Amino acid sequence: DIVLTQSPGTLSLSLGERATLSCRASPSVTDNFLAWYQQKPGQAPRLLIFRASSRAAGIPDRFSGSVSGTDFSLTISGLEPEDFAVYYCQHYGTTPRTFGHGTRVEMK
Amino acid sequence: EVQLVQSGAEERKPGESLKISCRGSGNNFTHYWVGWVRQMPGKGLEWLGIIYPGDSDTRYSPSIQGQVSMSFDTAINTAYLRWDRLRASDTGIYYCARQQMGGTFLSAFDIWGQGTPVTVSP
Repeated sequence: DIVLTQSPGTLSLSLGERATLSCRASPSVTDNFLAWYQQKPGQAPRLLIFRASSRAAGIPDRFSGSVSGTDFSLTISGLEPEDFAVYYCQHYGTTPRTFGHGTRVEMK
Repeated sequence: EVQLVQSGAEERKPGESLKISCRGSGNNFTHYWVGWVRQMPGKGLEWLGIIYPGDSDTRYSPSIQGQVSMSFDTAINTAYLRWDRLRASDTGIYYCARQQMGGTFLSAFDIWGQGTPVTVSP
């Protein structure tokens, strides 16, 4: 099974700051079939990024994804109040389609 | 608008059976894989499995294989997750989700149900 290791566990930042979240895959993810989801308390997850770097419909352009080898990143270029949440990466190139353990972005 | 509407919260005792549902509206789901994701209390997301409504091809996570079964009724666009014998460790919120792209196995989940809380307690 592919293991996705997300870091850091918690990111404490202020409004307007840049957030960079990491997701490392072992072994590698087939053809960059990796997605990022946002989850707020009491809500279902929401797809942000698919295929490592493509934004889902309706997602603001402050969210971007990138990949370098087995290291995937989600960047939020300037935090808005609604961006404080938990973020998960998930691969979908094979089964089981594991999720990372999540990164919580909290207000400093 | 495409939506997934899940059945309501459930409480059961260990050893009892349960079937929860996920009804799709606004589009024909036949060609879109539909999956189930669990979230235990205070924990992260766990992928349970996925089913293709067109032919009921189903893939389960090894962690859940044999403990649950997935099905889909194409006549009413509804997916089901069933347990024959619940355990306390099955307590959590269960989300259904539809893949973003039809006709392919390789796609992320872009449409999510609101979640069904399941509590298993003596």
